Amino acid sequence: QAVVTQEPSLTVSPGGTVTLTCGSSTGAVTNGHYPYWFQQKPGQAPRTLIYDTNNKHSWTPARFSGSLLGGKAGLTLSGAQPEDEADYYCMLSSSGDDWVWVFGGGTKLTVL
Amino acid sequence: QVQLVQSGAEVKNPGASVKVSCKTSGYTFSGYYIHWVQQAPGQGLEWMGWISLNSGDTKSAQKFQGRVTMTRDTSISTAYMELSRLTSDDTAVYYCARDHGWHWGQGTLVTVSS
Repeated sequence: QAVVTQEPSLTVSPGGTVTLTCGSSTGAVTNGHYPYWFQQKPGQAPRTLIYDTNNKHSWTPARFSGSLLGGKAGLTLSGAQPEDEADYYCMLSSSGDDWVWVFGGGTKLTVL
Repeated sequence: QVQLVQSGAEVKNPGASVKVSCKTSGYTFSGYYIHWVQQAPGQGLEWMGWISLNSGDTKSAQKFQGRVTMTRDTSISTAYMELSRLTSDDTAVYYCARDHGWHWGQGTLVTVSS
């Protein structure tokens, strides 16, 4: 089973831009891993921001975007707001017959 | 809109089993998969497994194999996750989520304590 890696913590200034990344121990992350990004605030259920690499839900703020970059999945926040301070988790699917899903360890994003 | 409503908090003794329900609405029940996710206190998210709401086929993470049973009742658009042989390590919030965009339930706190 793959290990999915994320930065443990990042800090961004209000109005600033930051990119969170999501790597896989098995090699480059591709669209075939169907990367997901979730936001979780204390005491709340996770909320899906991005699915299938770069697709947004109706509730996803426009300042969030998903991509593939340098063999990893990325979540870019452009114009950070104080309410974006949260934990962010990525998730990847294994391809093939298993259809096992693996979460990354999460990134604690501080807006300061 | 898609909604997933989970059953309420549970307190169980070590060695017991717990069954969490996830009632869905707002879409055609059978066309999707439901995933289950564990989150221990202060920890990250851990994928437990999925169930096909159409066929009833299941797949679970290696960590939970042999202890987790996922079922569904199509007549009431509800999925279930039963975890057996509970230990204190199973104290966690359990979430269900529907695939194709991952729509989440509100979570169910399961406390394992004697």
